[in-house]
Amino acid sequence: QVQLQQWGAGLLKPSETLSLTCAVYVDSFSGYHWTWIRQPPGKGLEWIGEIDHSGQTTYNPSLKSRVTMSVDTSMNQFSMRLTSLTAADTAVYYCARRLATVDYWGQGTRVTVSP
Amino acid sequence: DIQMTQSPSSLSASVGDRVTITCRASQGISNDLGWYQQKPGKAPKRLIYAASSLQSGVPSRFSGSGSGTEFTLTISSLQPEDFAVYYCLQHNSYPITFGQGTRLEIK
Repeated sequence: QVQLQQWGAGLLKPSETLSLTCAVYVDSFSGYHWTWIRQPPGKGLEWIGEIDHSGQTTYNPSLKSRVTMSVDTSMNQFSMRLTSLTAADTAVYYCARRLATVDYWGQGTRVTVSP
Repeated sequence: DIQMTQSPSSLSASVGDRVTITCRASQGISNDLGWYQQKPGKAPKRLIYAASSLQSGVPSRFSGSGSGTEFTLTISSLQPEDFAVYYCLQHNSYPITFGQGTRLEIK
């Protein structure tokens, strides 16, 4: 059974940087895209970007200038940083595994950006 | 970007009803589509992948169809636990995009 467990700060101020990490409990870390998705309160889902086991990244152009993803294959973990936060970044952030569609999700981290 | 347009945005139905949700892609995406169910406070759950393949463990009352630009999710006989928000996702090209969601409510 695949499990993703994520953590990171939940309350941040405008202009600060969000850092989230996701630990993956799975037989194989390679061969998948390790993905971040967010959901503003009461709204739909937005794909932020993803990274593979080699560190190759693909970001949503709408966030590309502010997002950085990294991977630690020795720990089966991957991370995301989002800089220059504004209130519009308030959302639940999910880590997830994607081969074609997304199949496994983390539990979500509620992030609030407020002065 | 490929835009995914879901319809309807909300739907009221009764237990036992047959329900269909549609997702239209702004350009052809072959069968690179999945359907998800999300309940309040929970992560989405995959129901369908490759447009029509049923995720293991998902009841057979859920089915998906379509290819190219038009896709449907059908629930053949609504059960109380099916009232939720449903999303489609396309992974044919980057950026990966979701439909805006369909809220399925009890009539």
